[in-house]
Amino acid sequence: QSALTQPASVSGSPGQSITISCTGTSSDVGSYNLVSWYQQHPGKAPKLMIYEVSKRPSGVSNRFSGSKSGNTASLTISGLQAEDEADYYCCSYAGSSTFEVFGTGTKVTVL
Amino acid sequence: QVQLQESGPGLVKPSETLSLTCAVSGYSISSGYYWGWIRQPPGKGLEWIGSIYHSGSTYYNPSLKSRVTISVDTSKNQFSLKLSSVTAADTAVYYCAREHSSSYYFDYWGQGTLVTVSS
Repeated sequence: QSALTQPASVSGSPGQSITISCTGTSSDVGSYNLVSWYQQHPGKAPKLMIYEVSKRPSGVSNRFSGSKSGNTASLTISGLQAEDEADYYCCSYAGSSTFEVFGTGTKVTVL
Repeated sequence: QVQLQESGPGLVKPSETLSLTCAVSGYSISSGYYWGWIRQPPGKGLEWIGSIYHSGSTYYNPSLKSRVTISVDTSKNQFSLKLSSVTAADTAVYYCAREHSSSYYFDYWGQGTLVTVSS
């Protein structure tokens, strides 16, 4: 099972919106609404930002939103802030043989 | 507040077995959820290793399954990872985390511990 494909980097200016894609296959992202997104600052543990494609845990800013179309999931950050600069990873359930697969990761830079 | 803390040797020799423990506080493992291990090689992405339920039921990443054993000790409220026949490719930060069963996401994470495989 290969990792889900994410762009290596995405950048934007403060206040702008950016979208990070997470492309899988019909065996993972396309088959299940079980995509989650994690934010990771350097030297820190990942933090859950989105689960079940579009649900936000308590305490996560509503500037973060998730969606899915076909085999591609997306994370949108609106009103980009300096603190959003971090690595972001998607993760999807991939069935009862593979179970879970992470994305390749995307570095978000705030210009 | 759920907290997880990894512990174990920071240096393991090639061909030996890597052993880590995750101590959980603020929540009883016996109350539910799955409990998982994820690793991250230096400068690289995340890789799910495997997960365990309090009953002992496990599921593993197929690419690591032949070398991985995850166990749980509910009396100590902790769970453990053993990875056998390690090579330099197993050098990584190892994280433990709480996983929502049936939804397959991790909501609480430990701080991570670096394990280096080297002679």
